[in-house]
Amino acid sequence: GEDVEQSLFLSVREGDSSVINCTYTDSSSTYLYWYKQEPGAGLQLLTYIFSNMDMKQDQRLTVLLNKKDKHLSLRIADTQTGDSAIYFCAESPPRGGYNKLIFGAGTRLAVHP
Amino acid sequence: NAGVTQTPKFRVLKTGQSMTLLCAQDMNHEYMYWYRQDPGMGLRLIHYSVGEGTTAKGEVPDGYNVSRLKKQNFLLGLESAAPSQTSVYFCASRIPGADTQYFGPGTRLTVL
Repeated sequence: GEDVEQSLFLSVREGDSSVINCTYTDSSSTYLYWYKQEPGAGLQLLTYIFSNMDMKQDQRLTVLLNKKDKHLSLRIADTQTGDSAIYFCAESPPRGGYNKLIFGAGTRLAVHP
Repeated sequence: NAGVTQTPKFRVLKTGQSMTLLCAQDMNHEYMYWYRQDPGMGLRLIHYSVGEGTTAKGEVPDGYNVSRLKKQNFLLGLESAAPSQTSVYFCASRIPGADTQYFGPGTRLTVL
């Protein structure tokens, strides 16, 4: 079946690195995404990675993809209080044809001084 | 360019009442989606539309209806609200072939 799994909670100290992990099920997913949701707001696309890539870096964000293990991670360097939010991993299986996104339950990142 | 907007932001209904949630996008996107978000769960797709005048069921369509009379608008209707429909509803849109969906800010609905 379709199931994207994430740990529900992560607490880090300001200035440290955060690593949020995700496992997905469909090895044919073309894109894998990380969305950020701040309190009371909608989902904001943070970054995504194409399935033929192993790594993507974008400023403080690093996405690692292990296709063999169907494991995706998001690393946030120098985590700040403004990074406190819920982070959703999502996969995009090719079947269906309408860019169906399968979301994980979200990881709540808490950044403390 | 407002992106994706949703109306209303908050609503409280009594069981059995009806209402319509409005999603509007000004990006000329073909595809539009309605999701619901419940605590401890990811977003689940309710209905979607691949163009004006077309709609289709997603994962959790029961109890909802949708209409896409104009390309820029996607309406989600609850004919007879139930407490199980208490949730946060998100609308999204995208261009066919594009690599991501753009989300609205959400509507928080409580059914008593």
